[in-house]
This record gives sequence, structure tokens and C-alpha cells, in this order.
Amino acid sequence: GDSVTQMEGPVTLSEEAFLTINCTYTATGYPSLFWYVQYPGEGLQLLLKATKADDKGSNKGFEATYRKETTSFHLEKGSVQVSDSAVYFCAGKFNDYKLSFGAGTTVTVRA
Amino acid sequence: ETGVTQSPTHLIKTRGQQVTLRCSSQSGHNTVSWYQQALGQGPQFIFQYYREEENGRGNFPPRFSGLQFPNYSSELNVNALELDDSALYLCASSASGPPNTEAFFGQGTRLTVV
Repeated sequence: GDSVTQMEGPVTLSEEAFLTINCTYTATGYPSLFWYVQYPGEGLQLLLKATKADDKGSNKGFEATYRKETTSFHLEKGSVQVSDSAVYFCAGKFNDYKLSFGAGTTVTVRA
Repeated sequence: ETGVTQSPTHLIKTRGQQVTLRCSSQSGHNTVSWYQQALGQGPQFIFQYYREEENGRGNFPPRFSGLQFPNYSSELNVNALELDDSALYLCASSASGPPNTEAFFGQGTRLTVV
């Protein structure tokens, strides 16, 4: 069935390091793809999205490109900060009504 | 414009009891979805309401039920609580539209079943 799979963590980085979190999808069609972030004790916040192949979503220094050839939507940031420590979720919307989430990747950035 | 608000933020219930969780959608949004997020996992879709009707349902038993009111606020009801129902329950609201329409999440209700 339609689903997303993301790299599981935890991931621990030093400040200013490069971050990549892998996300791939399985779908019969072409989903809209999202990255959400969850800070400790909080709900989910949309980080970025892409709705069709080759779209690039970007926000707060994070980027992800919708790659149809590799069915991927990897999240990247060139220089992380301590404030980027959070849980990151890849999600796909395969039809009109629900988001399907990956298991989440916990990122910890050390000063 | 107010965001999505959920109440209560935390509660503890005993196995077998019933619970009602509440969600006020963001202004202008007519669609509300509920998700269950178990500890260390991604959110799982429970159901969605659009204009007071259930519009889609995930793989949850009938003891999970919901309502949407004319002002688009919503309730999630869970009967006969089980220990595995302990989770963070998230409400998300959105405006009707294409699949890429953004969903805005509330802070969640942390339910503990003992």
C-alpha cells in the first residue's frame, strides 16, 4: 500500500554539521510530500512541502526535493544549530484525506 | 487568527473508562482530522470529519468515534479504554481543497491509561 519510510535515528550532530534524513515513498500515484518537525512536548509543525516531481520545498535553511525517479524526499540542512534538535517526520498525502507518516527521526545537535 | 487548540493537555484514565478529547479548528477551516501518536512512533490516522460527516477512517476499532459541530470544532471519544490507548492524540485542521492543502496541528492531548 501507499506509505513512506524514513531513516530511523537517533542522529547526533555537532553544531554547523550537515544534516541529511532520508525518506522514500511507495505509491501507485503521485503523492504530496511533507516534512513536519516536533519539538519536545509540542505538536507537529509543517517544515516544508512539495506537491509534484522536481519541486523543492525549503524553509529555515532546510530543503527537500521531490524525486520521482528515486521515489525520495530527503531532508537536508547545510549547517545545523542546537535549536534544530527535534523529531522530524516525513509524511505523504496519497489521497484527499489523510497523511501517512514515517516513524520519525530524532535529531540532537550538540554545541 | 487563532490556531488549533486541544483540551485537555493531559489526562489520566483507568482501563475500561471512557474519554472525550476536544479540538477547536483554526479559523476558516472546515476539515478536522485526528491522529494517535504512540511513544516513539509516527502519528497514525484515526479519522477525518468534513462538514460534520466522517470523511475517512483509519484502522481503528469502532470504540473510537468522533463528532464535528457546526462551528467545525470536533470531539474524539474513546470507549472501553485499554492500556495501549495511552498516546498523544493530535488534532489537525485544514481548509477543503487539493491534497497539498496544509494541515495545521494542535499541541495534542497526552492520554495515559492505567
